[in-house]
Amino acid sequence: QVQLQESGPGLVKPSQTLSLTCTVSGDSISSGGYYWNWIRQHPGKALECIGYIYYSGSTYYNPSLKSRVTISVDTSKNQFSLKLSSVTAADTAVYYCARQEAAAGSPFDYWGQGTLVTVSS
Amino acid sequence: DIQMTQSPSSLSASVGDRVTITCRASQFMSTYLNWYQHKPGKAPKLLIYAASTLQSGVPSRFSGSGSGSEFTLIISSLQPEDFASYYCQQSYSTPYTFGQGTKLEIK
Repeated sequence: QVQLQESGPGLVKPSQTLSLTCTVSGDSISSGGYYWNWIRQHPGKALECIGYIYYSGSTYYNPSLKSRVTISVDTSKNQFSLKLSSVTAADTAVYYCARQEAAAGSPFDYWGQGTLVTVSS
Repeated sequence: DIQMTQSPSSLSASVGDRVTITCRASQFMSTYLNWYQHKPGKAPKLLIYAASTLQSGVPSRFSGSGSGSEFTLIISSLQPEDFASYYCQQSYSTPYTFGQGTKLEIK
C-alpha cells in the first residue's frame, strides 16, 4: 500500500521560506512512472496544484507560484520536498503531497493526510 | 486556467438517499475529470477517474458520468461512511484545477 506523509514546520514567519518534505513508502520514487505533486488548500477554498517533480528531477510549477517555488527530490531517502519563498499570510494552507501516474490525464491516486502551515509573526 | 464550478456547495441527505453532485468546466475537457472524497484529517481518496471509471476498491454505489464540460457524481444509496466532502478535478490541462467542493452532511 502506497503511503505519503508530509512533514515540516507548522508555523513560518512572513517573508521566510516554507519547507516541507513528503516521505513515500510502498513505492520507490526512483522506479519512475509517476509525478510527485504538491497541492494546497487555503481555509475554505478550493485545492490548488503547486507543482510536481519526476524522479529524474524534471519539474512543473503552477505559473501563479512559479517565481517562489522549488520542488526537489531525494531518491536515496525516497522523499521529495517543497520550498516556497517569501511567504505571506496568503500562503497559510493545508499542504498535501500526492502521486500521479506520468500519463496524460492521470488523477492523483494517493495522497498524504496534509499538514497545516500557518504564516504568522 | 480551466475553472471548475461544483454544485451544490453543501447538501444534507439521509442514509439510503440518492445524491447527485455536478461539476461544470469553463471549457471543453473531454473526459479528463476525476472525483475525490475527503474526510477531515484524512488523505483525500480517489473515487472516479476519466469521468466514469471507478477506482479499484471503491464501492459500486459511486458512479460518474459526463463529457465535454459537464460531469456528474452519483451516490446511489448513501451509507454512513459517505458523509464527507467531494471534489472534482480536471486533468485535461495544466495547471490542474479543482472544484470548490461539496460538503455532504447528515440530515
